[in-house]
Amino acid sequence: DAGVIQSPRHEVTEMGQEVTLRCKPISGHNSLFWYRQTMMRGLELLIYFNNNVPIDDSGMPEDRFSAKMPNASFSTLKIQPSEPRDSAVYFCASSRAANQPQHFGDGTRLSIL
Amino acid sequence: GIQVEQSPPDLILQEGANSTLRCNFSDSVNNLQWFHQNPWGQLINLFYIPSGTKQNGRLSATTVATERYSLLYISSSQTTDSGVYFCAADGSSNTGKLIFGQGTTLQVKP
Repeated sequence: DAGVIQSPRHEVTEMGQEVTLRCKPISGHNSLFWYRQTMMRGLELLIYFNNNVPIDDSGMPEDRFSAKMPNASFSTLKIQPSEPRDSAVYFCASSRAANQPQHFGDGTRLSIL
Repeated sequence: GIQVEQSPPDLILQEGANSTLRCNFSDSVNNLQWFHQNPWGQLINLFYIPSGTKQNGRLSATTVATERYSLLYISSSQTTDSGVYFCAADGSSNTGKLIFGQGTTLQVKP
């Protein structure tokens, strides 16, 4: 079975540009999570969805960040406008249910210049 | 919210040695998971272990929920075990909202 698929793997863009990160969860998984990893703050949960519905977005740092899950097989995390401090590795993870093992994608390494 | 602390922060082993990594959490948990982040940055789920003991090859984990800690054992370590080991816990909310510890960085030398 395919794992969690994220795209792009790397993104380099200039400050102020819109950035869209994409995630395809494992088929049959009903929960989807977006994380951010930085040296300073470690791994932080940004937002998670159950059955395509956003449940908790308290980890989203600012209004510049938004996430959607239009169907069970696709989610996006958008940053608009981007800032250098948004540079990080962004991971998507999915699980069969909320309190089940989470499986991570390979991440998107984002650099904002 | 729940706090997750891991120890030691860094560990260097000679190939073939055994090690124990510890994870303490500040509240009761419904969900406790161990992950390995390899040198390429991939995060691999090792164990889902809110309580009890599990084994997978050379790795095993034990969670004593009543005493609020979990242990990850690595036996006969190999260079491919190098990387960062994370413990993550979800408190009583049972929502899957994992809080990650800061990790233990393991280096296994040949």
